[in-house]
Amino acid sequence: DIQMTQSPSSLSASVGDRVTITCRASQNINNYLNWYHQKPGKAPKLLIYTASSLQSGVPSRFSGSGSGTDFTLTISSLQPEDFATYYCQQSDRTPFTFGGGTKVQI
Amino acid sequence: EVQLVESGGGLVQPGGSLRLSCAASRFTFSGYEMNWVRQPPGKGLEWVSYISSSGTTIYYADSVKGRFTISRDNAKNSLYLQMNSLRAEDTAVYYCARSLPARNAFDIWGQGTMVTVSS
Repeated sequence: DIQMTQSPSSLSASVGDRVTITCRASQNINNYLNWYHQKPGKAPKLLIYTASSLQSGVPSRFSGSGSGTDFTLTISSLQPEDFATYYCQQSDRTPFTFGGGTKVQI
Repeated sequence: EVQLVESGGGLVQPGGSLRLSCAASRFTFSGYEMNWVRQPPGKGLEWVSYISSSGTTIYYADSVKGRFTISRDNAKNSLYLQMNSLRAEDTAVYYCARSLPARNAFDIWGQGTMVTVSS
């Protein structure tokens, strides 16, 4: 199985900050890397798919980059509604594994 | 609005069975691959199972293989998860999720249904 390692596991930031979260796969996943965020009591929401494609309706302050095994999610200017837990997920092959999550808090 | 609505969760004893349903609306259900994803209380996300649009290709996580069965009824716009031999570690919120074609990023999620396995 492909292991997904996210870092950091949590971070503190302020409104307006630039935030970067990294995700590393245990093997090449051919850019099949997706990012979600989840607020307490809610379902996850897709932000970025195939490493760098912005999902429809997602603000442009979210961006994704990377290739092979190393990927990054960047929030250019953190907004109050962005405080949540962020997950990466590989969809190159089953089982479709998720990272452990990064909690972004004030 | 495109929507997925899960039902069927509840409290069940270890070794028991439960069948989850996911009703899809406002999109062509038969054209999409579907998945089940679960989240134990206070923990991260775990993919459980995948089914192709026609239902002919199915995959499971090792943790549920041989105990859970995914299926779909395209005429009823519905996805199912039959869960047998339930264990305490199966306790979680279960989400159904739609796959983006050819990418398996999960673009639409249901609200989730809670399954608790306890005596």
